[in-house]
Amino acid sequence: AQTVTQSQPEMSVQEAETVTLSCTYDTSENNYYLFWYKQPPSRQMILVIRQEAYKQQNATENRFSVNFQKAAKSFSLKISDSQLGDTAMYFCAFMKRRSSNTGKLIFGQGTTLQVKP
Amino acid sequence: DAGVIQSPRHEVTEMGQEVTLRCKPISGHNSLFWYRQTMMRGLELLIYFNNNVPIDDSGMPEDRFSAKMPNASFSTLKIQPSEPRDSAVYFCASKREGYEQYFGPGTRLTVT
Repeated sequence: AQTVTQSQPEMSVQEAETVTLSCTYDTSENNYYLFWYKQPPSRQMILVIRQEAYKQQNATENRFSVNFQKAAKSFSLKISDSQLGDTAMYFCAFMKRRSSNTGKLIFGQGTTLQVKP
Repeated sequence: DAGVIQSPRHEVTEMGQEVTLRCKPISGHNSLFWYRQTMMRGLELLIYFNNNVPIDDSGMPEDRFSAKMPNASFSTLKIQPSEPRDSAVYFCASKREGYEQYFGPGTRLTVT
């Protein structure tokens, strides 16, 4: 069975600084997807970034980037130039590629990030 | 294009009452998912449908929970009878072929 672990329940960062959120996972699969979702106080779940395990290049979306270490089964999220609107809970999630048709996601416990002015 | 629509947004009910949560997926999406979010257990997948057919309901906590998808544009999650421990936020999500799920705004259920 797959598991996703986020070991940082809460983090804070000053506005405009950089912060890294950690995620590790356990799987025997070789092909899979990894995701970071953001859940602001509005409760809406928003996809931030995704990474295909077969790609060695780390995914980047504007101020958000990941450090994907397949051998270590690590998938951290880096937020550069933090903004107040980045305040949210962040979830790491795993999906087996062969189940991409149905899309069953396994979520970590979440990390609450507060960006301070 | 409208996103995933859930109703009601908030529901307060008394223990023992029947509760029905509703979801309208994004048009053209063929997979639908129901999740539950609590402080203690985080985000849990309850059940998902592919082309209106339930594929995996192993996350449904007990027989008091049931879900249906009578057509491609509508799904319900029913709890009967409801209990205080069912209090949570329930999310519906949908997707088409591929990997990205789109979540609805969630229904906050409080059972007193």
